[in-house]
Amino acid sequence: ETGVTQTPRHLVMGMTNKKSLKCEQHLGHNAMYWYKQSAKKPLELMFVYSLEERVENNSVPSRFSPECPNSSHLFLHLHTLQPEDSALYLCASSQVGVRDTEAFFGQGTRLTVV
Amino acid sequence: AQSVTQPDIHITVSEGASLELRCNYSYGATPYLFWYVQSPGQGLQLLLKYFSGDTLVQGIKGFEAEFKRSQSSFNLRKPSVHWSDAAEYFCAVGDTDTGRRALTFGSGTRLQVQP
Repeated sequence: ETGVTQTPRHLVMGMTNKKSLKCEQHLGHNAMYWYKQSAKKPLELMFVYSLEERVENNSVPSRFSPECPNSSHLFLHLHTLQPEDSALYLCASSQVGVRDTEAFFGQGTRLTVV
Repeated sequence: AQSVTQPDIHITVSEGASLELRCNYSYGATPYLFWYVQSPGQGLQLLLKYFSGDTLVQGIKGFEAEFKRSQSSFNLRKPSVHWSDAAEYFCAVGDTDTGRRALTFGSGTRLQVQP
């Protein structure tokens, strides 16, 4: 596999459920990101992990909980979500430091909260 | 705080016509600048990027963009649009602060191509 892979591609969950989104990058990058894309708002940064350390959470509600066990994997744990959390969640990776690269995005997980 | 403005929410052009999508940014230093394209239900694909050097950058699919510091702009152009170019286009500015490099996006421009 190459690039950035997100699973699942689609997810429907109830407000009382707990689920996790998974992202894996095969590019050898040292930074990973979660972005949220809603219908009526620009793409918003949620979390940044650089060198496996979270450097920003951007005031995201605590019902979203990220986890970055290593530089290749990133999770977004979801619990007690609200209908307004329905959106496309995009994962990205990049290389930061001496030789910067652009961000490479996964295909996204389309989340619907019912 | 950095910001990106894409003043055109929706643009329609005829196939074969030229295209220019506008992007203005606000950033305290020389930014990293990007254009991404998104087809329905898909992730973002990089069209081109500006990190430094030549202010006219070439990208994939025949796109180019010009960084104009005096105007804080990074407009995307294509001389002849193809029907397959119909998609949503996002301009983004990258934080050059080491260790972060997160992107701030504009609200996007949806391009329709008429036959």
